Amino acid sequence: DAKTTQPPSMDCAEGRAANLPCNHSTISGNEYVYWYRQIHSQGPQYIIHGLKNNETNEMASLIITEDRKSSTLILPHATLRDTAVYYCIVPLFGNEKLTFGTGTRLTIIP
Amino acid sequence: DTAVSQTPKYLVTQMGNDKSIKCEQNLGHDTMYWYKQDSKKFLKIMFSYNNKELIINETVPNRFSPKSPDKAHLNLHINSLELGDSAVYFCASSPRQGWQWDQPQHFGDGTRLSIL
Repeated sequence: DAKTTQPPSMDCAEGRAANLPCNHSTISGNEYVYWYRQIHSQGPQYIIHGLKNNETNEMASLIITEDRKSSTLILPHATLRDTAVYYCIVPLFGNEKLTFGTGTRLTIIP
Repeated sequence: DTAVSQTPKYLVTQMGNDKSIKCEQNLGHDTMYWYKQDSKKFLKIMFSYNNKELIINETVPNRFSPKSPDKAHLNLHINSLELGDSAVYFCASSPRQGWQWDQPQHFGDGTRLSIL
C-alpha cells in the first residue's frame, strides 16, 4: 500500500466542520484513497473513497488535491458520535493486502 | 438486520485450548476477511477468501485455520491458544476481490479473545 501520513490526534468543536488531512505522496495513478473510522469497541466503518475527483456522500466529503498527493476528509457538522479513530488508506493496486496505519484520533468537544 | 455478524462477541479461555469464531454475512458478498487488532490497536489482515477459495494468508501461524463452508460464512479455528493470541478479531466482507475494484469492506463488531 502507498504510505499514508496522518496527524495522530485532532480536536473539533461540536457542530463545526472537522477537516482531517492525509498525505499519500507515493500514490499511483490507479490507486484509490479510502477513509474508514473506528468508534470505540466497534468494527471499522467505511466512510468514503475516491480516485481523482472530489466525492461527497451522506457521511462526509473527500477532497483530493490535483496532484493526488494528499487528501482531506471533511465531516461538515461534527457530532459527539463522530469521535473515533479515522484511517486514510491507499491500497496497492492489484494487491489484496490492506494496511491500517495508526490513523487520527478525532475528539469532538461539546 | 446485521450485515456481518460474529459469534461469540467475547471469548475467555485457557492457554492451550482450541476455539472457533464464526462469521456470517448476509450481503451476498463474494469475499470475506479476517483481521486481528492487537493491544496496540494495530489492525492487520490475516486471511482473505473469495468464493470459498483462500486468497490471502498473511504469515499467520498454522494454529489458525480459516474455514469457509459457503461464501456467506468464514469461520476461524484456533488450535493450542497462546497468550499472544489475545486480541480483537474482526470479520469483514466485500462484493468483489480486493479494494482496487472500488468496493468497500463491511466489518463485524469483533470478537474479543482473552487467553488466561
